[in-house]
Amino acid sequence: AQSVTQLGSHVSVSEGALVLLRCNYSSSVPPYLFWYVQYPNQGLQLLLKYTTGATLVKGINGFEAEFKKSETSFHLTKPSAHMSDAAEYFCAVSGPTGGFKTIFGAGTRLFVKA
Amino acid sequence: DTEVTQTPKHLVMGMTNKKSLKCEQHMGHRAMYWYKQKAKKPPELMFVYSYEKLSINESVPSRFSPECPNSSLLNLHLHALQPEDSALYLCASSQVTSSTLNEQFFGPGTRLTVL
Repeated sequence: AQSVTQLGSHVSVSEGALVLLRCNYSSSVPPYLFWYVQYPNQGLQLLLKYTTGATLVKGINGFEAEFKKSETSFHLTKPSAHMSDAAEYFCAVSGPTGGFKTIFGAGTRLFVKA
Repeated sequence: DTEVTQTPKHLVMGMTNKKSLKCEQHMGHRAMYWYKQKAKKPPELMFVYSYEKLSINESVPSRFSPECPNSSLLNLHLHALQPEDSALYLCASSQVTSSTLNEQFFGPGTRLTVL
């Protein structure tokens, strides 16, 4: 079975500081990994995805994530936080054993202080 | 067009009402999904349609009835709901490929309140 663990339900950073949101996954087969962002009262928007190939994945809005198989991690980073980055972030996994199912982590709320 | 649209944005209904949520996409995706999301929680999968046929029903109560009339439309019919059904209902769509890459495109959701 596949699962996702997001470390930290809340993360607070100052504007301009590094953003690091942690995600660890469990999967018996090579996974597909995603980060989604959700702004208040909106749907989910895909930030980036890892399928195969390059382990450093660049996404929208300056975010990137690195797939580390040895650590079963897919942490999301951004060098410099902006006030507009304040939102809920979900790490998710799918793959051959999951079919249409995407398994979401519990989410991490990012707060950005001025 | 890379957008999934949902109507209405907000819905308030009584426990005896019948209402429907609508979802539409024009990306040529042949998989469509309904999710329920409670506050401060991740989305929970309810139903998946693949090529207009119900593929997954995550043991959802029968007071929720999905319908996929064509490849672009997805409905969720609601009847005799309970207050605990109040939530954000999200629709999503994706391609159907042999690799099962499940990149889903989400709509903005319908905020449902059951009184």
